[in-house]
Amino acid sequence: SAVISQKPSRDICQRGTSLTIQCQVDSQVTMMFWYRQQPGQSLTLIATANQGSEATYESGFVIDKFPISRPNLTFSTLTVSNMSPEDSSIYLCSVIEGPDSNQPQHFGDGTRLSIL
Amino acid sequence: GQSLEQPSEVTAVEGAIVQINCTYQTSGFYGLSWYQQHDGGAPTFLSYNALDGLEETGRFSSFLSRSDSYGYLLLQELQMKDSASYFCAVNSNYQLIWGAGTKLIIKP
Repeated sequence: SAVISQKPSRDICQRGTSLTIQCQVDSQVTMMFWYRQQPGQSLTLIATANQGSEATYESGFVIDKFPISRPNLTFSTLTVSNMSPEDSSIYLCSVIEGPDSNQPQHFGDGTRLSIL
Repeated sequence: GQSLEQPSEVTAVEGAIVQINCTYQTSGFYGLSWYQQHDGGAPTFLSYNALDGLEETGRFSSFLSRSDSYGYLLLQELQMKDSASYFCAVNSNYQLIWGAGTKLIIKP
């Protein structure tokens, strides 16, 4: 399966700042997603990253807070803007490799973000 | 609404067999996935069932009954490294609907 690289693996940030997380895949993939996982919780989908167009955000997540880019079929970024301690979470990108959008998703190693 | 139910915690002994159940209620269904997540790690894909029956991958097996909206993950010959959280997730209308996760505790 595809190798998914996420950077940075972890960071500690000051409140009010922004951080951009990168997700690089070693092959072209159909779909890319961004998730958040708060401590002890399940995964929550932030948005679907669409190649060449605006991301599709889930309820409770907005573009101003979580801008997403996907310039091609192998790369995406998620920015967490104007961070507050409530944004401390693991942020994960995932991909679906094949043409069938209902195939399993595979995850990167995640970015562990702590906000002071 | 859409929901998945799985036990919050399961305890087993090293070398034993454990079954983690998952029942679901979703508006669409294309398949049931299972993921393993160690503390501090990312979810790792374990198995996927789109059709009824048993799928076996080494020590892990996964079962699906679509008529019962039910599946399970079976772990055999438990090892200490299997201590982790296990999530079931339904592929529904191009999204994954996640369960809350089952923490598997293994005792020597």
